[in-house]
Amino acid sequence: DTGVSQDPRHKITKRGQNVTFRCDPISEHNRLYWYRQTLGQGPEFLTYFQNEAQLEKSRLLSDRFSAERPKGSFSTLEIQRTEQGDSAMYLCASSSRTGNDNEQFFGPGTRLTVL
Amino acid sequence: AQKVTQAQTEISVVEKEDVTLDCVYETRDTTYYLFWYKQPPSGELVFLIRRNSFDEQNEISGRYSWNFQKSTSSFNFTITASQVVDSAVYFCALSEAQGYSTLTFGKGTMLLVSP
Repeated sequence: DTGVSQDPRHKITKRGQNVTFRCDPISEHNRLYWYRQTLGQGPEFLTYFQNEAQLEKSRLLSDRFSAERPKGSFSTLEIQRTEQGDSAMYLCASSSRTGNDNEQFFGPGTRLTVL
Repeated sequence: AQKVTQAQTEISVVEKEDVTLDCVYETRDTTYYLFWYKQPPSGELVFLIRRNSFDEQNEISGRYSWNFQKSTSSFNFTITASQVVDSAVYFCALSEAQGYSTLTFGKGTMLLVSP
């Protein structure tokens, strides 16, 4: 399977705990995006990486959120001191600058439930 | 700022009926891309189409067709002879042609096709 993968698929945590999600993009893709989708809404952009550089962050990304993409391969999204409002599906997407520049391929998402 | 409006929250049809999903967008960019994604119950976003703002030709792909009208800022999606497997949430999205190409999604339209 050469698509975008995300781990874990589901995460249940208690309020105040830290969580970390991982995204493995399609191997030749240098662009990686994180989105958040709450119930009944469309995905909302969180942050963007080109290779290892984090080039854009949404105002939705509070200081409790941090994302990394070491070596420009997989990426992690960490949420510290989780709140119930963080419950959502976290989607990762990747795209290639050299291909269809705007076609983003999405992973299956990580569904976070904060109790 | 970019905005995508999908006014239809939910549509129910009977199999074999034709159905049109509406999408209206707002952008200050002169060059942009429009997309449709399908999100089945499994949750993974599936890319359906990308349209460049310079290309107003309608497109047909099997039972799917798209009507792009720049004059009304609309990019509507029609499914002909709907099938139960078409049941999903459909998202219209917009991205700038330059820069980081982050996607701005509408809230989605849930399509229920009953036998």
